[in-house]
Amino acid sequence: QSALTQPASVSGSPGQSITISCTGTSSDVGGYTLVSWYQQHPGKAPKLMIYEVNKRPSGLSDRFSGSKSGNTASLTISGLQAEDEADYYCCSYVRSNTVVFGGGTKLTVL
Amino acid sequence: QVQLVQSGAEVKKPGASVTVSCKASGYTFTGYYMHWVRQAPGQGLEWMGWINPNSGVTNHAQKFQGRVTMTRDTSISTAYMDLTRLRSDDTAVYYCARQYSSGLYFFDYWGQGTLVTVSS
Repeated sequence: QSALTQPASVSGSPGQSITISCTGTSSDVGGYTLVSWYQQHPGKAPKLMIYEVNKRPSGLSDRFSGSKSGNTASLTISGLQAEDEADYYCCSYVRSNTVVFGGGTKLTVL
Repeated sequence: QVQLVQSGAEVKKPGASVTVSCKASGYTFTGYYMHWVRQAPGQGLEWMGWINPNSGVTNHAQKFQGRVTMTRDTSISTAYMDLTRLRSDDTAVYYCARQYSSGLYFFDYWGQGTLVTVSS
């Protein structure tokens, strides 16, 4: 199973919005609503940000939102803040009860 | 509160085996699948597999076929991941992660990670 495709890096200024894409196939992203997104700061464990394409865990800022169209899922962060600078990974269910991650995107807040 | 506490860092020689443990607390251990995910230095997350702590049934990525074994000890709420025939490219931080719910393949709690270094 090949990793989902994410841009290596994105950047934005404080207050702006950015979108990170995650492209797969009809066998993963396009075939299920089980897409999730994780934020990872250096040296830390990943943190769940979005699940089932567009749901936020309790207590998470509504600046984070998710969507999906066809084989591509997206994570949008609005009102960028310095603390949003991190690596972001998408993840999708695949057939046969397996999972695949994206390659990761480094977000830089300028 | 839910916690996943992993065992400490390991240094192994090529060809050796390693066992990483993940002790769960704050919830019913047998009620949630446990997954293992690794991250090589400077690289992305790589899914390895899962174990159903209730039944002991496992599933893993084809890449690790024949080298990985996932087990659990329900009496102490601990999951284990054994990786054999270690190679230098197995050097990574290994995480355990709790699956949110049955059939919902995403991870709401993660361990702190265990660095496994494979070096001669």
